[in-house]
Formats: sequence, C-alpha cells, structure tokens
Amino acid sequence: QKEVEQNSGPLSVPEGAIASLNCTYSDRVSQSFFWYRQYSGKSPELIMSIYSNGDKEDGRFTAQLNKASQYVSLLIRDSQPSDSATYLCAVNQPGNTGKLIFGQGTTLQVKP
Amino acid sequence: KAGVTQTPRYLIKTRGQQVTLSCSPISGHRSVSWYQQTPGQGLQFLFEYFSETQRNKGNFPGRFSGRQFSNSRSEMNVSTLELGDSALYLCASREGQGNGYTFGSGTRLTVV
Repeated sequence: QKEVEQNSGPLSVPEGAIASLNCTYSDRVSQSFFWYRQYSGKSPELIMSIYSNGDKEDGRFTAQLNKASQYVSLLIRDSQPSDSATYLCAVNQPGNTGKLIFGQGTTLQVKP
Repeated sequence: KAGVTQTPRYLIKTRGQQVTLSCSPISGHRSVSWYQQTPGQGLQFLFEYFSETQRNKGNFPGRFSGRQFSNSRSEMNVSTLELGDSALYLCASREGQGNGYTFGSGTRLTVV
C-alpha cells in the first residue's frame, strides 16, 4: 500500500463547477497535511495546509481532513480553466522531521 | 521577500560526471529539503537540513549527498551520474516545524 494515494485522473469538470480531489494516507499518526498545485513545467505551489479535523476554507479552496478515516480532500469552487493543473497531496511524516510524502497527484482539467 | 532560489535552472551532464546544485532559501527559513521529481516516481524526498544538520535522508544511494551552510543556503551533490538521475531537482524551505514548504523553480538535470 502506498503511503499517500491519489487518483491520477484526469478529473474533468466544466467551468464554474466544484472540483473534488481526494487523498488517503496510511500512517495514522500523521499530523500535517498539504495541498500543492503544479502547473506543467513549473514547481509545486503550496495552496492549502490543514492540521485538525474538519474544514478549512481559503477563497475558492476548501480543505477537509478526517483523521479517523485517514483522508484529506480539496474542494475547488467555481472552477476556472486556470485551475487546470496537477494537484499534489502531501503528508508530513510524523516526528521531528521535515519529510513530506507526496501522492502521485491528480490532474484536473477545467473545460470552458 | 525573495522566494527560494535554485541555480542553475538547467544542466546537461555526461554519465560518470558529478554535479552540484545550489539552493538559497527564503530569508529566515532554516529548514531546507531536497526532492527529486520524475514522471515515473513522482516527488521523492532526498534530504532535510536544519541549522547545518541533516535531520533526514531519503532512500537514495550514497552518491547523493548534501550540506547546509551557516546562512541556511544548501547544496546537493550527485557523484558518478547515471542516466536514471535525469530529473527535476527541487529545493524547498519552510519557516518552522509543521509549516508547509515553499519550493524553488528547480534544476532540471539531464544526464546523457
């Protein structure tokens, strides 16, 4: 079992719709969770971080964390063509460590 | 604040050679990590440095090494290059434990 799993997609949504991206992780004691967006040919860009159960909203983005079920999700409301990118879920390895374990990423396509 | 700066942006090397990549973190960030990104393996953790000490090392051969200087700048070195070392090498820094990392633009290494 991979440590962090994401559906590779592509996930295709029409412009203005809600895009829902999901991620599951295997280490139950993980504490910090991050979503990165990566455009083709560019480096990953941090868009959301979440540390406790529940929802965290930032503009059109909402991160959701459920530690009991070991999943974290990202909702993008009013999706725009500019949101088309690969979204990477990252989990901080527990303990005093800066190691992030990344999923393989989900490619999102927002169609005008 | 300036972002994470990596040099060079592109590099072409021959098998058997060695290479040194450089990273300047965001001012005030003492934690620096390195990642390798390939289409097949995704983002793989190489190492993490904090206050000139390597705190973590990923599952890479000893040909991969790194260091951090007193001003938090970091370098990574790959010796005896192999074709499979061709990848995007990303440096990232963060302000404190638990925070998300900010990535640099990366160094694209091609080994021929």
